[in-house]
Amino acid sequence: GAGVSQSPSNKVTEKGKDVELRCDPISGHTALYWYRQSLGQGLEFLIYFQGNSAPDKSGLPSDRFSAERTGGSVSTLTIQRTQQEDSAVYLCASSLASGQDEQFFGPGTRLTVL
Amino acid sequence: QQQVKQSPQSLIVQKGGISIINCAYENTAFDYFPWYQQFPGKGPALLIAIRPDVSEKKEGRFTISFNKSAKQFSLHIMDSQPGDSATYFCAARGDSNYQLIWGAGTKLIIKP
Repeated sequence: GAGVSQSPSNKVTEKGKDVELRCDPISGHTALYWYRQSLGQGLEFLIYFQGNSAPDKSGLPSDRFSAERTGGSVSTLTIQRTQQEDSAVYLCASSLASGQDEQFFGPGTRLTVL
Repeated sequence: QQQVKQSPQSLIVQKGGISIINCAYENTAFDYFPWYQQFPGKGPALLIAIRPDVSEKKEGRFTISFNKSAKQFSLHIMDSQPGDSATYFCAARGDSNYQLIWGAGTKLIIKP
């Protein structure tokens, strides 16, 4: 079956512009995560969605970052007024349910802010 | 308390050798310890995982050793192959039942 997909695969933008990153989780997975991976670094948790529950936004680095998940499936991560330090790979993962161990990752979106 | 410390940052091993990557944690409430493998341009993928009720888990050439008293766990790759060249991340499940705390990663290069 299809895995987690993300689009675009690459995004180059100018400082100050807004960007939207999309994630399509595996069908039937109720849990969805966004992470940020800077070059040569580990994964930084951003936000977690589980079903219809309120998302855990504790990892969002500033109020320029927001995310939504429509219909319990597709998620969009929005970064407003992008800054150069936002340049990173943004990874999305999904899992079958909250507390289910394995997270399945998409290939990521590489964001470059000039 | 929520950190997972991973070492080394990079590792070069000859083909056929044993690759060893180590992780340490502080929070005794952690209850699940996975290792993920990431190839360039791809997202991480689960390689092997262990729970604290066992001291070792083996899957093929990959083994996790877990030392609960020392709060350490390690990944051993036996008979390392060039195809094992990747970045490896250890992680631990934290106080919530869903959030993983990630190590910083180890870039492994297997020389043919």
